[in-house]
Amino acid sequence: NAGVTQTPKFQVLKTGQSMTLQCAQDMNHNSMYWYRQDPGMGLRLIYYSASEGTTDKGEVPNGYNVSRLNKREFSLRLESAAPSQTSVYFCAVQESNQPQHFGDGTRLSIL
Amino acid sequence: QKEVEQNSGPLSVPEGAIASLNCTYSDRVSQSFFWYRQYSGKSPELIMSIYSNGDKEDGRFTAQLNKASQYVSLLIRDSQPSDSATYLCAVRMDSSYKLIFGSGTRLLVRP
Repeated sequence: NAGVTQTPKFQVLKTGQSMTLQCAQDMNHNSMYWYRQDPGMGLRLIYYSASEGTTDKGEVPNGYNVSRLNKREFSLRLESAAPSQTSVYFCAVQESNQPQHFGDGTRLSIL
Repeated sequence: QKEVEQNSGPLSVPEGAIASLNCTYSDRVSQSFFWYRQYSGKSPELIMSIYSNGDKEDGRFTAQLNKASQYVSLLIRDSQPSDSATYLCAVRMDSSYKLIFGSGTRLLVRP
């Protein structure tokens, strides 16, 4: 998925540590999204940014913060990681009513 | 009540058969509908999008939308083992461009 780049691809944290997941796009799309995916749960929206300068909470925002740094970049921060935040995190981008396009994901384990 | 419902499966079909995947949604004013395919350990990739009632065909894939009955389906003709994956239904339900995802249906195509 050359258009949406997520870093890192894998990360292991200890409970209480903080980290930032990065997402960058070269598709020039206005909207960006952060999801988490847990087994049997589908994709759940954490936060989204409809356009540069705006962010809004999704379905499961507790324990997370986001920053829309510019049109290209949207980061997700875990201030104090908890084992319940062990998941696969996907960033997606979208333009208007078009489909969303996903990055390759970040696999995060919290011990 | 979950807003987008899918049977978790697995749906098992023999190679060459038609696979039929179904999705129901709760909001009558939903406007846009998408099917994504997700291989194990990979990110979702768009298969089909459909915006109006009726059928839309793309190669071996056909999406069917019935807004009155609030369901959308995906037919895969001449199923191949490489079609074995989880298929996610996504629905745009309000004036924002956010998508609500179902939990996915796992498809197994037997050689």
